[in-house]
Amino acid sequence: NAGVMQNPRHLVRRRGQEARLRCSPMKGHSHVYWYRQLPEEGLKFMVYLQKENIIDESGMPKERFSAEFPKEGPSILRIQQVVRGDSAAYFCASSPPETQETQYFGPGTRLLVL
Amino acid sequence: AQSVTQLGSHVSVSEGALVLLRCNYSSSVPPYLFWYVQYPNQGLQLLLKYTSAATLVKGINGFEAEFKKSETSFHLTKPSAHMSDAAEYFCAVRRGYSSASKIIFGSGTRLSIRP
Repeated sequence: NAGVMQNPRHLVRRRGQEARLRCSPMKGHSHVYWYRQLPEEGLKFMVYLQKENIIDESGMPKERFSAEFPKEGPSILRIQQVVRGDSAAYFCASSPPETQETQYFGPGTRLLVL
Repeated sequence: AQSVTQLGSHVSVSEGALVLLRCNYSSSVPPYLFWYVQYPNQGLQLLLKYTSAATLVKGINGFEAEFKKSETSFHLTKPSAHMSDAAEYFCAVRRGYSSASKIIFGSGTRLSIRP
């Protein structure tokens, strides 16, 4: 049973480019969460999605960031027109619908904006 | 509003010594509390969780934590440190059982083990 998968593991972008981060939840999990970890800081919640629905996006920056979790395929976190301050590790977590208290984390995508 | 405070961004202990990582929480309702461990360049792994059952919670790798409501604390301990315990540890709080409640993480404590 594969865990939460994220790709790419490392992503380098120049300022102004777009970054697309993918997350495949564990099999049977229908809840996906995205967190951002800035250097030397803890994880900060960004968004919580269920299939085809955004449940809580209170942690998402108002501009340039968007997330989706389509009926088929992985969840996508998109960052448009990246800036240097977007450099961070982005973690995805998933949980099953039945036992909702435990979130299982992926290995993260480390984004570097040059 | 919920929050967690981890006292000490860096803790160093000798191999075989007691590990104590401190966490205090703030919550207006009974919280669900977690400790996660992060090894270098990896994701987070759940060490243990408190969900209002026993106040002393045992986790993986010999770690345990005690929920003390009077002190609003959830400190993580291990009787004897091992070199493999060197990692970043995060305390986290969640309001309620529902996954609609996001997890709030502390800023982390980096644990170093001296030979």
